[in-house]
Amino acid sequence: DGGITQSPKYLFRKEGQNVTLSCEQNLNHDAMYWYRQDPGQGLRLIYYSQIVNDFQKGDIAEGYSVSREKKESFPLTVTSAQKNPTAFYLCASSENNQPQHFGDGTRLSIL
Amino acid sequence: QQQVKQSPQSLIVQKGGISIINCAYENTAFDYFPWYQQFPGKGPALLIAIRPDVSEKKEGRFTISFNKSAKQFSLHIMDSQPGDSATYFCAASSKAAGNKLTFGGGTRVLVKP
Repeated sequence: DGGITQSPKYLFRKEGQNVTLSCEQNLNHDAMYWYRQDPGQGLRLIYYSQIVNDFQKGDIAEGYSVSREKKESFPLTVTSAQKNPTAFYLCASSENNQPQHFGDGTRLSIL
Repeated sequence: QQQVKQSPQSLIVQKGGISIINCAYENTAFDYFPWYQQFPGKGPALLIAIRPDVSEKKEGRFTISFNKSAKQFSLHIMDSQPGDSATYFCAASSKAAGNKLTFGGGTRVLVKP
């Protein structure tokens, strides 16, 4: 089945620790996106990538980093600099000028 | 600055009733307006979308109404069913800005049987 796979579904972070969230797509989409979802605030864009080896900051990139070494993969690292990392993280992909398709998210919590 | 404002935050409707969710935007460069439906623990799924060259689009029980001059658009869910209970998000994007989506804050809809 074609789709977007996010892993793990749940993740816990200790103080001072970096954690990496995985996002893989087999839709052959060029563009990939990371969003953060907090209650009552909708989705906010963290980073996006329109082609391999290139990515751009979104509205709330501070404390996060990404890489795009392969077309199908767009991992997000939540660094220790992100002081309020507890949220639901969503990855999406799309062809240019086409609707974005979302994965089922990773819920990150602080230990 | 919230560029897309969505209301209400929550909504309760009886089975068979009409659910109406409204969104207003500020950026006149927006040229694509999708609505997403999200169930708990899942990612949002595209429900229906509209471009500003039409004033209304209907797909089954779901209709988008678009008012370009007022910079507003709304989602109508006709004959609401308990299975429609979910959170709905409006969004907007522009080709000029790389099709990045700006989301509204979401509306939690509960359809009572």
